[in-house]
Amino acid sequence: NAGVMQNPRHLVRRRGQEARLRCSPMKGHSHVYWYRQLPEEGLKFMVYLQKENIIDESGMPKERFSAEFPKEGPSILRIQQVVRGDSAAYFCASSPTLRDRVISGYTFGSGTRLTVV
Amino acid sequence: GQQVMQIPQYQHVQEGEDFTTYCNSSTTLSNIQWYKQRPGGHPVFLIQLVKSGEVKKQKRLTFQFGEAKKNSSLHITATQTTDVGTYFCAVNLQGGTYKYIFGTGTRLKVLA
Repeated sequence: NAGVMQNPRHLVRRRGQEARLRCSPMKGHSHVYWYRQLPEEGLKFMVYLQKENIIDESGMPKERFSAEFPKEGPSILRIQQVVRGDSAAYFCASSPTLRDRVISGYTFGSGTRLTVV
Repeated sequence: GQQVMQIPQYQHVQEGEDFTTYCNSSTTLSNIQWYKQRPGGHPVFLIQLVKSGEVKKQKRLTFQFGEAKKNSSLHITATQTTDVGTYFCAVNLQGGTYKYIFGTGTRLKVLA
């Protein structure tokens, strides 16, 4: 039973380019959470999605960032016109239901480490 | 806003020594979780504490939730080199919600 899969593991983008980060939740999971970790810091909540719905995007920057979780396929975190400050590790977690995640803790993917040059 | 402070920020110990990290909140918590992140790795869930004064053990790790549910501690007895990493607490204010606020983390280095 594969865990939460994220790709790519490492992504290098020049300033102004677009970054697309993918997250495939665990089998049977329909809830996805994205967190960002700046170097030497803790994780910051970005967005919570269910299939085809954004439930809470209160942690997402207002501009350039968007997220989706389509009916088919992985969840995508998209960053347009990247800047150096976007360099961070982006982690995704999934759960079957909200209650299960609250009880058992997040299962995080291995993350995507974005470097903007 | 909600503040979650972890102390110390860094800790170097000799292998075999004990280690404790503390997590302090400015408000009463519904529950708290602890995670470990190895260098270059991803956070791995260790445990969740829910009840006031709760104490849970996992081998050499002891987790405690304060009586007022505003603070928590993680204690490692007789550290080993495999304990190296950053330990994060993650707090939940309202219970039943998905949004956890992560602490700043304590980076543990164990010297052989």
